[in-house]
Amino acid sequence: NAGVTQTPKFQVLKTGQSMTLQCAQDMNHNSMYWYRQDPGMGLRLIYYSASEGTTDKGEVPNGYNVSRLNKREFSLRLESAAPSQTSVYFCASQVPSGVPETQYFGPGTRLLVL
Amino acid sequence: AQSVTQLDSHVSVSEGTPVLLRCNYSSSYSPSLFWYVQHPNKGLQLLLKYTSAATLVKGINGFEAEFKKSETSFHLTKPSAHMSDAAEYFCASDTGRRALTFGSGTRLQVQP
Repeated sequence: NAGVTQTPKFQVLKTGQSMTLQCAQDMNHNSMYWYRQDPGMGLRLIYYSASEGTTDKGEVPNGYNVSRLNKREFSLRLESAAPSQTSVYFCASQVPSGVPETQYFGPGTRLLVL
Repeated sequence: AQSVTQLDSHVSVSEGTPVLLRCNYSSSYSPSLFWYVQHPNKGLQLLLKYTSAATLVKGINGFEAEFKKSETSFHLTKPSAHMSDAAEYFCASDTGRRALTFGSGTRLQVQP
């Protein structure tokens, strides 16, 4: 089991460029999440997908779009990158349950927007 | 709305001495609470979680945390720090929407 995988590991963009961050999990989890991590602010939820075919906004969704491609994959897209989106992005997944369960995190994508 | 406050951004201890990382929560109901650890350039790993069972929760690597409703606290402790414990620690609470809200993190430094 690879767990949660993310690609790329590191990316540099110029302001206005677009890119898609990829996330996949092989644990048969229904719920998947995208967070961003900034110094001194912990992790903040961008979007989440409770199940295949559904997505919901989190705390900081502006400037991002997501796609739940299938049960395994959940991608995050920046249509027009801005320097404020420089951050470390983490994808996570969770077992299908009605109660809060452990979230499993990927290794992260470090994004620098110039 | 649920919120989590980690009271110390940085804690430094000597190897072999106790560790205390403080976390307070704010919630309109009794939440589920989590502690995660992040080693440099790595993702987050669950240390332990509280889900309304026993108030004293034991986790991996000798860590434990006690849920105190009267104090709205969920502090993380370890009797004896090891060099390998040096990392950043995050307290988190469920939001009731299957997502988590995280504290700002506490960086633990362990001195030899």
